[in-house]
Amino acid sequence: EPEVTQTPSHQVTQMGQEVILRCVPISNHLYFYWYRQILGQKVEFLVSFYNNEISEKSEIFDDQFSVERPDGSNFTLKIRSTKLEDSAMYFCASSPYRDGQPQHFGDGTRLSIL
Amino acid sequence: KNEVEQSPQNLTAQEGEFITINCSYSVGISALHWLQQHPGGGIVSLFMLSSGKKKHGRLIATINIQEKHSSLHITASHPRDSAVYICAVVPYGGSQGNLIFGKGTKLSVKP
Repeated sequence: EPEVTQTPSHQVTQMGQEVILRCVPISNHLYFYWYRQILGQKVEFLVSFYNNEISEKSEIFDDQFSVERPDGSNFTLKIRSTKLEDSAMYFCASSPYRDGQPQHFGDGTRLSIL
Repeated sequence: KNEVEQSPQNLTAQEGEFITINCSYSVGISALHWLQQHPGGGIVSLFMLSSGKKKHGRLIATINIQEKHSSLHITASHPRDSAVYICAVVPYGGSQGNLIFGKGTKLSVKP
């Protein structure tokens, strides 16, 4: 069965550095999402992406965050100047249609900011 | 105030028991998801429903839109069902991705 893949599985970065988290959604999916889960807390929506643009974003997704689909397969989340509080598990998800389709999640990237 | 509340927070069961996890929400929704988060962190979508009931194997999910309540049932529970079960809702008028998540119910099934 097709899967959403995320790399790396664990990223350790110094505070203030830029980090790029990578995701390869399922190939025929059109809608892409990023979520984060701070350790011990609930999952939170960051951003949704369709047709090469952001369709919705949360208040968490401020100017230090950006997303991109640089080619036909990858979907990336960039954090420009990382802070300690960015430490979390970041999940990518994709779905084939906007309505009525369950999402397929990747296994997540654990981001640790030192 | 949490918009999505799950109960119980933690649940321990013996293998074979029938399990119910509850989710209540305070906003109008267009759909509700049940997700399973494995101990390693990975998330699997179990159900998406907007009315009635869905069944997949030993899992059954129900929703009552009027009462703003959903339940996830596991019949004949097994140790491999041990995971965190998360309820997440799609607020009415929002996109399918902008989910509001509950805190999860940690289920442990003992052999």
